[in-house]
Amino acid sequence: NAGVTQTPKFQVLKTGQSMTLQCAQDMNHEYMSWYRQDPGMGLRLIHYSVGAGITDQGEVPNGYNVSRSTTEDFPLRLLSAAPSQTSVYFCASVASGANVLTFGAGSRLTVL
Amino acid sequence: QQQVKQSPQSLIVQKGGISIINCAYENTAFDYFPWYQQFPGKGPALLIAIRPDVSEKKEGRFTISFNKSAKQFSLHIMDSQPGDSATYFCAASNFNKFYFGSGTKLNVKP
Repeated sequence: NAGVTQTPKFQVLKTGQSMTLQCAQDMNHEYMSWYRQDPGMGLRLIHYSVGAGITDQGEVPNGYNVSRSTTEDFPLRLLSAAPSQTSVYFCASVASGANVLTFGAGSRLTVL
Repeated sequence: QQQVKQSPQSLIVQKGGISIINCAYENTAFDYFPWYQQFPGKGPALLIAIRPDVSEKKEGRFTISFNKSAKQFSLHIMDSQPGDSATYFCAASNFNKFYFGSGTKLNVKP
């Protein structure tokens, strides 16, 4: 039982490049979400999904796209990376009604 | 605007002392208030949580105090230990949508 798996752990991009942060969970959780963590800002919700085929915006969605084609996977896409997107990104999931948010280990992204 | 406000940003406590972290929220629709603990290089992990129909919850050395009328809640760590040194986040949620505070970096000095 791996929990929430994020890849890659580290990534360096140049401004304007695109990339996808991968997130997979094996707990059959309906709800999945992406957060970014910045010093002094805490964890801010980027996008979330309440089930396959359903996604919605969180607090800071601009510059990011998501899709949820399966229950297990919830990738986060940066279409044109900007230095302001330098951050640590966390994927998290929770079973509907269970309330215990389980986090991945994080992906540290640097945009030059 | 930030849904959950947390203070202080950092805290230094001597071993054996009490650590207190405070949070406030505005949205009365929130129905679950967890605290998460994060060690460097790791993802946050659930520490303790409370629902608004309870004023206090205690688990070992960790206690949440909840004041529904003031829309405030706090984490108390009794007999703080160096191993408690970490970043702590309060959060509030409704329908599995979680909003986090800005975090408190706790340093417990031996």
